[in-house]
This record gives sequence, structure tokens and C-alpha cells, in this order.
Amino acid sequence: ELKVEQNPLFLSMQEGKNYTIYCNYSTTSDRLYWYRQDPGKSLESLFVLLSNGAVKQEGRLMASLDTKARLSTLHITAAVHDLSATYFCAVDNRSNYQLIWGAGTKLIIKP
Amino acid sequence: GAVVSQHPSWVICKSGTSVKIECRSLDFQATTMFWYRQFPKQSLMLMATSNEGSKATYEQGVEKDKFLINHASLTLSTLTVTSAHPEDSSFYICSASGEAGGLGEQYFGPGTRLTVT
Repeated sequence: ELKVEQNPLFLSMQEGKNYTIYCNYSTTSDRLYWYRQDPGKSLESLFVLLSNGAVKQEGRLMASLDTKARLSTLHITAAVHDLSATYFCAVDNRSNYQLIWGAGTKLIIKP
Repeated sequence: GAVVSQHPSWVICKSGTSVKIECRSLDFQATTMFWYRQFPKQSLMLMATSNEGSKATYEQGVEKDKFLINHASLTLSTLTVTSAHPEDSSFYICSASGEAGGLGEQYFGPGTRLTVT
């Protein structure tokens, strides 16, 4: 059974600091996704990672994928308040193409 | 990019009534649509997967007679919550995939907040 674990589940940090959110998954998968969710809103797609060693960057966010370690990271550089949100990773289940979701990381960035 | 809309964005209904939520893919044909529900401070829970023209596949523990899903066209799927009760209050999100079997990226709708009084 494919399982996805995110950590930390909650992160409070100061503006200007760097931090990393980790996403581990239990079996082989073809794709890994990172999403952002603001309170009361739906999901915003951030990154789609398709292959081992993939690295994608958008602004202060950078995501990477290590398929051998079954690990993806979402790195935040010089955090700003606007990045406060809940971040989810999700992994494709090869057998039925459903997304298996992490529990989410609630990120609070204090000015 | 691919756009998915949901209607209504929020709805309040009385216990015992039924509510229909629409999910539309606006600029692509959605072969597969997914329905999720999300409780406060929790992750998404997949309720069912629907392929156009066929019956939806429900996840374990989801009552198919209570949550009626119709995917009659390549751009529209509906979720009807029948005989709603307060415990059905939740945030319902649909997503759509343009590739067969749901392969490929899912594009998410803006969600529908249902409150049952």
C-alpha cells in the first residue's frame, strides 16, 4: 500500500529564514506533486516532479525528487509572510492513478 | 492552462434536503474526474473516481447511495449529497484529468463549502 508521509506537520518560522519540508513515500511512483492551499481555498499546483533528480524552482520555492530514496523536498529560501499556507505533497499510485496525499504541512511565517 | 470550475462555491442547506454540486472542465475534455472531501485541518480524502459515461468507483466507506455522482459528459460531473445531515458539512473539491484512467495531472476546482444545518 502506498503511503505518503510529510514532515513537519506544522512549521512556524521568521521571515528571511530558510527551511525544508520533507515528503517520503513508500513505494515506486511515477509522479510527485506539490500543492499549496490557503485557508478556505482549493489547491494551487506548485510543482510536478517526474524523474529522479528533478529539481524545479519558482521564486523562493524549490522542489526536488530522489526516487531512489523515495523522498521529495520543498525548500523555502528567505521566507516571506505571503508564503504562509498549507503545503501538500501527493504521489501517483501506479495501479490506479489516484493521488495519495500527505497530511500537509501548515507553514506560518511571522513578519 | 487547464481550468476547472465548481458551482456553487458555498451552500447552506437544511438537514434532510439534497444538494447538487457541479464540476466543469472549461478548456479541456475531462476523461476522468475525482471527488474529494476535506475536513478542517485535514488532508484531502478521495471519495470517488468517475469516468465519462460509466459508473463512478467509490472509495471504501463512502456511501454510493448518499453521494450520487454523474459524469454524463466530458466537461461535466455532478455530486449530489442526498438527505444531507450536519456530519456531511465539509469542503468538497473536484479535480479533472484529461487523460484516460486518470493518468496525468489532476486540475482542481475551487471547492464547494457545504454547511448542513
